Amino acid sequence: IVLTQSPGTLSLSPGERATLSCRASQSVYRSSLAWYQQKPGQAPRLLIFGASSRANGIPDRFSGGGSGTDFTLTISRLEPDDFAVYYCQHYVSSPLTFGGGTKVEIK
Amino acid sequence: EVQLVESGGGLVQPGGSLRLSCVASGFTVSGYWMTWVRQAPGKGLEWVANIKPDGSEEYYVDSVKGRFTISRDNAKNSLYLQMNSLRVEDTAVYYCARDPGALRYEAFDIWGQGTMVTVS
Repeated sequence: IVLTQSPGTLSLSPGERATLSCRASQSVYRSSLAWYQQKPGQAPRLLIFGASSRANGIPDRFSGGGSGTDFTLTISRLEPDDFAVYYCQHYVSSPLTFGGGTKVEIK
Repeated sequence: EVQLVESGGGLVQPGGSLRLSCVASGFTVSGYWMTWVRQAPGKGLEWVANIKPDGSEEYYVDSVKGRFTISRDNAKNSLYLQMNSLRVEDTAVYYCARDPGALRYEAFDIWGQGTMVTVS
């Protein structure tokens, strides 16, 4: 399964809404899709699993949606700590692939 | 505290070998699939390999098949990645991660801080 994320870069201001897209080359069985956040010099952090379930400790301004081949990550109101790179990943079967990432930068 | 700590990275010449280690604390690896993910400088994440809780199954990305071997020692609460015939394109930060799935894969909920491998 090939995952294509768009846009590559999203330039927004704090307080704005961010909508990130992840499109799969074939249907993602059981919505086995996750979103991760990565900041420079840090390991990725799990945000969303099962396409729409928030991981432990993740604020409710982060939400995931979609099914089949089209998925979205929405950050309702960007906070300064949210500017980072976001990756989607499927875990249907091996090989477990990641999308190319979307960088959310401060406008 | 639940954590993973990688070690073993470094500088190696093309064609050389390295063995990465990942030690878990705060949980027992024997109950989990474990995974290696890498990230080349300035690039995105790439899944490398994973291994079943009992070590009976392992899977690899095509680019490392026949060169890398994932293994585990549940008694030592550890995961390993033996990397042979290293290439310049294997240069990356290597992360180990926990997959909490038992009967099927799940998202990676715990990640190590990574260890840098430079092939030059």
